[in-house]
Amino acid sequence: AQKVTQAQTEISVVEKEDVTLDCVYETRDTTYYLFWYKQPPSGELVFLIRRNSFDEQNEISGRYSWNFQKSTSSFNFTITASQVVDSAVYFCALSGNYGQNFVFGPGTRLSVLP
Amino acid sequence: EADIYQTPRYLVIGTGKKITLECSQTMGHDKMYWYQQDPGMELHLIHYSYGVNSTEKGDLSSESTVSRIRTEHFPLTLESARPSHTSQYLCASSELDTQYFGPGTRLTVL
Repeated sequence: AQKVTQAQTEISVVEKEDVTLDCVYETRDTTYYLFWYKQPPSGELVFLIRRNSFDEQNEISGRYSWNFQKSTSSFNFTITASQVVDSAVYFCALSGNYGQNFVFGPGTRLSVLP
Repeated sequence: EADIYQTPRYLVIGTGKKITLECSQTMGHDKMYWYQQDPGMELHLIHYSYGVNSTEKGDLSSESTVSRIRTEHFPLTLESARPSHTSQYLCASSELDTQYFGPGTRLTVL
């Protein structure tokens, strides 16, 4: 069975601090996909990134960066110079090939204080 | 990115009423999903569909039902709403592996 663990239930940081959200996954599939979603207070779930299991290159998008390490089954998400607008619940997710067995982690609530 | 629409966005209704939550997508995605979520908490898959006339129950038992008569439309129905149904309902669609979500419906049953 597939499983995603986000050990950090809640994180609080002060604006401009860097913050890393941890995500550890379990799967027996050789082909799989990892995702991060953001859920701001308004409630919608916003897709941020998708990685496939064959691409371990780190990715950077503005203040966001993702570190995928198959050796530790982790897909961590770092926000650099955090801003109040980054306050949200962030979900890590995992799916098999063709989107099968899609599973979300429990989420990490990030509060960025001014 | 998918365009997914959910109506209503907010609904307050009395116990025993029948309600239908609407979900439509314009991207022609075959796969669609319904999740139930208390705000900011874990998402629970309650229904999914891999195409027209295909519907399956998800991991969380739900008293709701769904239908998929058209590719773009995946409504969810509660025959008799109860206070325990108070929650947020999120609809999603996908073509391959990435799920894209609608804005959600916040349901309150009094």
